[in-house]
Amino acid sequence: DTGVSQNPRHKITKRGQNVTFRCDPISEHNRLYWYRQTLGQGPEFLTYFQNEAQLEKSRLLSDRFSAERPKGSFSTLEIQRTEQGDSAMYLCASSGAKKLAQPQETQYFGPGTRLLVL
Amino acid sequence: DQQVKQNSPSLSVQEGRISILNCDYTNSMFDYFLWYKKYPAEGPTFLISISSIKDKNEDGRFTVFLNKSAKHLSLHIVPSQPGDSAVYFCAASGKGGSEKLVFGKGTKLTVNP
Repeated sequence: DTGVSQNPRHKITKRGQNVTFRCDPISEHNRLYWYRQTLGQGPEFLTYFQNEAQLEKSRLLSDRFSAERPKGSFSTLEIQRTEQGDSAMYLCASSGAKKLAQPQETQYFGPGTRLLVL
Repeated sequence: DQQVKQNSPSLSVQEGRISILNCDYTNSMFDYFLWYKKYPAEGPTFLISISSIKDKNEDGRFTVFLNKSAKHLSLHIVPSQPGDSAVYFCAASGKGGSEKLVFGKGTKLTVNP
């Protein structure tokens, strides 16, 4: 397994269009997280899944954003009616279930999808 | 309300010397702290972490120190190498890392040959 993958790596769209991003986590990981990073800032949490259940959503996630993880494996993040303020790097991370030998969970990130809304 | 702060936007050191990156946090519920390294146009790469039950964790050239009473952690890189030049993010989480990560704004490290 080569780690978390994200597609596409880059997306340019016009304002008002819908876009969808995909994240494939590390295969044995049951938690999947979405973050957004803008210039000069650290990544900011958007939402996360444990298996197929969406357990938390940030207030940053407006009703134009929706995320799914239908079978507890890959996840998609859709942005409807994109706005210029949505331009950012969208990052996906995954982590595995806690084990006796490793009680802490470390999140591993994918390469990100850079979105530019014109 | 910024719960994780990296007050130095940039740091420049000479190759072979020590790099010290600092991070402060305010939320006492955080119990797991991580450092990530990031190159432009790439995702963050995990570097090293520390649980709140420890005060030091070492991995090769990288050591993280945690001072819970001061709510402060630091990353030491010895010796620094030009390939270490990147943006370093401090992140914190609760419940042993199973909660969302809260990141600082990052410190850009430049290691000069």
